[in-house]
Amino acid sequence: NAGVTQTPKFQVLKTGQSMTLQCAQDMNHEYMSWYRQDPGMGLRLIHYSVGAGITDQGEVPNGYNVSRSTTEDFPLRLLSAAPSQTSVYFCASTFTGTNSPLHFGNGTRLTVT
Amino acid sequence: TQLLEQSPQFLSIQEGENLTVYCNSSSVFSSLQWYRQEPGEGPVLLVTVVTGGEVKKLKRLTFQFGDARKDSSLHITAAQPGDTGLYLCAPKTNTGNQFYFGTGTSLTVIP
Repeated sequence: NAGVTQTPKFQVLKTGQSMTLQCAQDMNHEYMSWYRQDPGMGLRLIHYSVGAGITDQGEVPNGYNVSRSTTEDFPLRLLSAAPSQTSVYFCASTFTGTNSPLHFGNGTRLTVT
Repeated sequence: TQLLEQSPQFLSIQEGENLTVYCNSSSVFSSLQWYRQEPGEGPVLLVTVVTGGEVKKLKRLTFQFGDARKDSSLHITAAQPGDTGLYLCAPKTNTGNQFYFGTGTSLTVIP
């Protein structure tokens, strides 16, 4: 049981480049979400989805796009990377409408120079 | 987004000491979860509290949900080096499915 898989683990980008962070889960969870983690800031919600075809913004959505074409996958796109997007990104999933725990991937460490 | 405050932000204690960390807000929550995160990994659930005044114990960890469901505390008895990590609270409200996290308490237990 793989759980939540994030790729890549590390990435270095130059300002203005684009990239997609991949997230896949095999637990048939309806809810998927992306967080960024910066020192002293905890986890901040970027975007989330409650099912295929449905996405919504979190606390810090600017500069990021998402889509949810399948239950399993929830990619996060940076269209034009900025140094302020240097962070560790976590994907998480769970069942909706319950107190089920969030299952997290192991994160992607992104550096934008 | 509800304003979540976790305190203290950093805590460094000797093995065997007791400690308490707090998660506070002005909002009422339907439930609250506590997670622990170790370096290089994603957070992992410790406990979910649902009822106001609820107390849950997990070995040396005691979790309490405030009577008004606006705050929670985590008490660790006789801390061990293995307790080192970032402790995060994540409340849920009745208005949505989103999980928002507090800023976290970074705990270091020195052998």
